[in-house]
Amino acid sequence: QKEVEQDPGPLSVPEGAIVSLNCTYSNSAFQYFMWYRQYSRKGPELLMYTYSSGNKEDGRFTAQVDKSSKYISLFIRDSQPSDSATYLCAMTLNTGFQKLVFGTGTRLLVSP
Amino acid sequence: DAEITQSPRHKITETGRQVTLACHQTWNHNNMFWYRQDLGHGLRLIHYSYGVQDTNKGEVSDGYSVSRSNTEDLPLTLESAASSQTSVYFCASSLRDLTDTQYFGPGTRLTVL
Repeated sequence: QKEVEQDPGPLSVPEGAIVSLNCTYSNSAFQYFMWYRQYSRKGPELLMYTYSSGNKEDGRFTAQVDKSSKYISLFIRDSQPSDSATYLCAMTLNTGFQKLVFGTGTRLLVSP
Repeated sequence: DAEITQSPRHKITETGRQVTLACHQTWNHNNMFWYRQDLGHGLRLIHYSYGVQDTNKGEVSDGYSVSRSNTEDLPLTLESAASSQTSVYFCASSLRDLTDTQYFGPGTRLTVL
């Protein structure tokens, strides 16, 4: 079993839809949770990170962490065609070592 | 502007050859990382370095080596390339601390025939 599970998609939605992207994980020691966005043939770029449980909002993006369920989510409001990309969740322990464990990524397609 | 670059962007090589992938960052970051990205596996850590002369093995380090002689560069060497090492390789760097953002390079697409 992988430490971090993520549905590969693709997830196809119309422009303006609310998108929900999710990851589950098995290691309860993970403390930092990140979402990266990766456009085709580019390197990943950090969207948001949260520490422990709770919500964090940044513009149209909201990250949510539920440590009791070992489940994290990224919500995108008013999705745009420019949001079409692969979204990778990543997480790490609170040990001072920055070793990220990534999910496999979910491909999102937003049609005009 | 500060940046992280990788070269070459594309490489085709033959089984058994030694290959070196370059990674150069101009942010003066302490931490540097090498990942490979494959369908069904996502990004997996190969090697990482927290400073000059420091190198550590990651999740999938067999067949790969790195050396860190300065702050800016972390070259990745495949000692004897194998077809299983066909992948897209990403280099990343971050300043120092656990919560510092990892910035990724554009990737190198390596094909081993």
